[in-house]
Amino acid sequence: QITLKESGPTLVKPTETLTLTCTFSGFSLTTNTAGVGWIRQPPGKALECLALIDWNDNKLYSPSLRSRLTITKDTSRNQVVLTMTNMNPVDTGTYYCAHRRVELWSGYYFDYWGRGTLVTVS
Amino acid sequence: QSVLTQPPSVSEAPGQKVTISCSGTSSNIGQNYVSWYQQLPGTAPKLLIYDNNKRPSGIPDRFSGSKSGTSATLGITGLQTGDEADYYCGTRDSSLSTVVFGGGTKLTVL
Repeated sequence: QITLKESGPTLVKPTETLTLTCTFSGFSLTTNTAGVGWIRQPPGKALECLALIDWNDNKLYSPSLRSRLTITKDTSRNQVVLTMTNMNPVDTGTYYCAHRRVELWSGYYFDYWGRGTLVTVS
Repeated sequence: QSVLTQPPSVSEAPGQKVTISCSGTSSNIGQNYVSWYQQLPGTAPKLLIYDNNKRPSGIPDRFSGSKSGTSATLGITGLQTGDEADYYCGTRDSSLSTVVFGGGTKLTVL
């Protein structure tokens, strides 16, 4: 059974750096069928994919936020870490991590999601 | 503003059928698979459809997906009050090199 859980600060100040950790179980990022993404959702607004890292260390970033984001994986701890620099009140929202199933001739989708963590920038 | 365009809201009576559209471009929907997510109030999104029209295990066949050109559609039949939620489409955008989502559609079952 695949599970993911987000952890990190609930409150950050403007200009600070946010570090979020996704701890997962039920799969490994050493096998060629998995990836993990970070998706955020401002209150009352739509989903936005921030970053994605696959088993082979291939990474995708939101073009508008690329300069502020870094995604890394720690396969020994089954964790994926997202850092976002220069936080601003508009970055307030719920941050989710999610499992991506990597398959040949298949699309990009997230089949398991964490419960999310609310981050407030103030 | 989201890369993929969805209607902000749709409504229909219980037992009826509803469709939700998702419009994109040749760089996203036009050349990539589409997925659909259901987000009940206060919860994380849940995968409903992947690869345009495939349902994960446990998703009832009341939910269906299709794609044509640069647009995709989610269909829900036999509407239930429990289907009231926000629905999002998503896909990869080959030009932006990222995953993009629609702005979401709020479904009301009257």
